[in-house]
Amino acid sequence: DIVMTQSPDSLAVSLGERATINCKSSQSVLYSSNSKNYLAWYQQKPGQSPRLLIYWASTRESGVPDRFSGSGSGTDFTLTISSLQAEDVAVYYCQQYYTNPSFGQGTKLEIK
Amino acid sequence: EVQLVESGGGLVQPGGSLRLSCAASGFTFSSYWMHWVRQVPGKGLVWVSRISNDGRTTGYADSVKGRFTISRDNAKNTLYLQMNSLRVEDTAVYYCARGIVIIPAGVVDYWGQGILVTVSS
Repeated sequence: DIVMTQSPDSLAVSLGERATINCKSSQSVLYSSNSKNYLAWYQQKPGQSPRLLIYWASTRESGVPDRFSGSGSGTDFTLTISSLQAEDVAVYYCQQYYTNPSFGQGTKLEIK
Repeated sequence: EVQLVESGGGLVQPGGSLRLSCAASGFTFSSYWMHWVRQVPGKGLVWVSRISNDGRTTGYADSVKGRFTISRDNAKNTLYLQMNSLRVEDTAVYYCARGIVIIPAGVVDYWGQGILVTVSS
């Protein structure tokens, strides 16, 4: 099984500042035949179901604001929120789908 | 509007059984893979199971393999999760979720509101 580890566990960022969340997989999720990274990011706001933000490591889902971006390849990935808004307070999860899906433990993002 | 509504949760004793249902609407249910994902309140997300759009292909997390069975009735637009030999550690909120078209087996876009399953004596 592929284990996903996120860092940090929690993060406090000022409004308008950049937030960066890291995700590391225990083995590569880069599929060589199509050069795609099998990595997605989700946002879960308090009391709500999760929302898909990004797949293929860097492709934004329709309707997701462009301040959200994903990067990385192989085993190391990053979710960046370029200018934090109040509505971005949430827990963020990375997920691999190279094998049976597995999620990271989550990173709680708060306003400083 | 896509809607996924779970039902069938509740309190069950260890070793017992429960069947969850997920009623889908607002999209062509028979065209989409479907998933179950669970979450212990206050904890992280755990993928449980998936089923292909035609019901022929299924997959399970190791933790539930042999105990849980996913199925669907495309005529009724309903997804099921039969849970047998339940354990205390199966206690969680269970979400029904829809696989996205281009990555149906691994990525989900719409989620239900979740249903709580509590396994306790």
